[in-house]
Amino acid sequence: AQTVTQSQPEMSVQEAETVTLSCTYDTSESNYYLFWYKQPPSRQMILVIRQEAYKQQNATENRFSVNFQKAAKSFSLKISDSQLGDTAMYFCAFTVGAGTASKLTFGTGTRLQVTL
Amino acid sequence: GAVVSQHPSRVICKSGTSVKIECRSLDFQATTMFWYRQFPKKSLMLMATSNEGSKATYEQGVEKDKFLINHASLTLSTLTVTSAHPEDSSFYICSAITGSPYNEQFFGPGTRLTVL
Repeated sequence: AQTVTQSQPEMSVQEAETVTLSCTYDTSESNYYLFWYKQPPSRQMILVIRQEAYKQQNATENRFSVNFQKAAKSFSLKISDSQLGDTAMYFCAFTVGAGTASKLTFGTGTRLQVTL
Repeated sequence: GAVVSQHPSRVICKSGTSVKIECRSLDFQATTMFWYRQFPKKSLMLMATSNEGSKATYEQGVEKDKFLINHASLTLSTLTVTSAHPEDSSFYICSAITGSPYNEQFFGPGTRLTVL
């Protein structure tokens, strides 16, 4: 069974600073996908970034980037130049397979507060 | 693109009544949709996988007779909470897969159910 662990229940960062959210996972699969989702106070889940396990290059999306360490089964999210709108719950998630409908396994989430 | 809607956004009902929640993919066809339940400050718990034209697959511990799921078309899945009780009060979220090779799920805005 796959598991996703987020060891930081809450984090705080000042506006314009950089913060890193941790995520580790456990799987015996070799082909899988990793995601970070953001859930702001509106509770709408928003995809932040995704990473294919077969790609060694770390994914980046504007101010968001990941540090994907496959051997260590680690998938951290770095948010640069933090903005007040980044305040949200962040969930790390995992799914197996390619091109087939598959379930997401979520971590327990990290609540990020961006302060002035 | 990849917009998922849910209706209603909030519903309050009396104990013993049934409530139907709709999940629609607005700009794509979704052969697979998922239903989640989220308790306050907690992660998403997958309840069931809904496949168009076939019976839903329920996660262990989820009562299929309590939570009826119907996926009658490629753009609509419904969750009916039958004979609702206060313990069924929760935030229910649906998601849909677009068919991309990444298996990324796009989420609806959620429905808050309160059973009195």
